[in-house]
Amino acid sequence: AQTVTQSQPEMSVQEAETVTLSCTYDTSESDYYLFWYKQPPSRQMILVIRQEAYKQQNATENRFSVNFQKAAKSFSLKISDSQLGDAAMYFCAYRSPFRNSGGSNYKLTFGKGTLLTVNP
Amino acid sequence: DAEITQSPRHKITETGRQVTLACHQTWNHNNMFWYRQDLGHGLRLIHYSYGVQDTNKGEVSDGYSVSRSNTEDLPLTLESAASSQTSVYFCASSESSKSPLHFGNGTRLTVT
Repeated sequence: AQTVTQSQPEMSVQEAETVTLSCTYDTSESDYYLFWYKQPPSRQMILVIRQEAYKQQNATENRFSVNFQKAAKSFSLKISDSQLGDAAMYFCAYRSPFRNSGGSNYKLTFGKGTLLTVNP
Repeated sequence: DAEITQSPRHKITETGRQVTLACHQTWNHNNMFWYRQDLGHGLRLIHYSYGVQDTNKGEVSDGYSVSRSNTEDLPLTLESAASSQTSVYFCASSESSKSPLHFGNGTRLTVT
């Protein structure tokens, strides 16, 4: 079974600075998908960025980018020019594209989350 | 716009009662999921479905059941609510194995 580890329960950053959130995962599959979700105090789960394992190029969405190291099974999220609205819980998630005979693996496996505080 | 709706947003119930949480999506997605979120545990999968009449157990399925009679709905039932089931519950759906999940806004359930 796949596991996802976020080793930083909490992080803080000054407004306008850059912060990197860590995520590692364990899998025996060669093809899969990785996601970062943001959960603000409103409780809504918002997709921040996604990465397909077969793509070597790191995904980027405006101020959000990832450092995907497939061999190291690492998928960190970098937030540049941090804003007060970036304050939230961030979850890293793994998804297999395969539907195995022993039970489908389309499901998302989440890390335990990193709480990001942005200081003005 | 397509959406995924959970109801109620908040629910308080007593130990031993049966509780059903509703989830309705208008994306026409075949894949639907129920997660619970607890501090220190992240989101854990309870049950999931890949289509009408298909249901599967997740990692924390004990005490929960689901049914899928149509594409739009996947209600989650707590057969006999326990205090350990106090949590925030999220329903989600996706179009395919390559797609991200679309989440509802969650239901906060308190079992007293």
